[in-house]
Amino acid sequence: KNEVEQSPQNLTAQEGEFITINCSYSVGISALHWLQQHPGGGIVSLFMLSSGKKKHGRLIATINIQEKHSSLHITASHPRDSAVYICAVRGKGGTSYGKLTFGQGTILTVHP
Amino acid sequence: NAGVTQTPKFRVLKTGQSMTLLCAQDMNHEYMYWYRQDPGMGLRLIHYSVGEGTTAKGEVPDGYNVSRLKKQNFLLGLESAAPSQTSVYFCASTARENIQYFGAGTRLSVL
Repeated sequence: KNEVEQSPQNLTAQEGEFITINCSYSVGISALHWLQQHPGGGIVSLFMLSSGKKKHGRLIATINIQEKHSSLHITASHPRDSAVYICAVRGKGGTSYGKLTFGQGTILTVHP
Repeated sequence: NAGVTQTPKFRVLKTGQSMTLLCAQDMNHEYMYWYRQDPGMGLRLIHYSVGEGTTAKGEVPDGYNVSRLKKQNFLLGLESAAPSQTSVYFCASTARENIQYFGAGTRLSVL
């Protein structure tokens, strides 16, 4: 079993829909990251969170440490949101050195 | 600021050839990482560095070597390329326990 599991693996939506991507992890963490990768493109960090909720524009990320679960929400989705969304966790301890363990990614396609 | 710059962007090698991928960052970050990304798998850590002159093995280090002679540069070497090393390679850097900044990636094919 992977340490970081994302669901769904693929997601198709119509423009304007509310989207949720889930991430579950099995290890103790010091932080969780959400990243975005456009087709053929680089990887951009969206959020880093260790508790509660963060919001940036139409994107909202939440985390429940007790349940080892995080969600990424996109409100009023748009075709330009089409990308791969990646969840990654940073372990605890002084020797983690910022290293991340990544989920397999969720491929999101938003149709006009 | 250019951020994290990777060169080259594309490369085709024959089995047994060698090459070096260069990662340069201009953000004065301490930590740097090399990852590979393969279809159906998450990003996997090859090697990382926590400072100039230091390197350490990640999850999939076999067949690769690295060097960090200068703080801003992190080099990934393939001494004898194999088809299993066909992948997209990403470099990233961070200021300790912060978000990671990624390069644009290097697409490598080994024939």
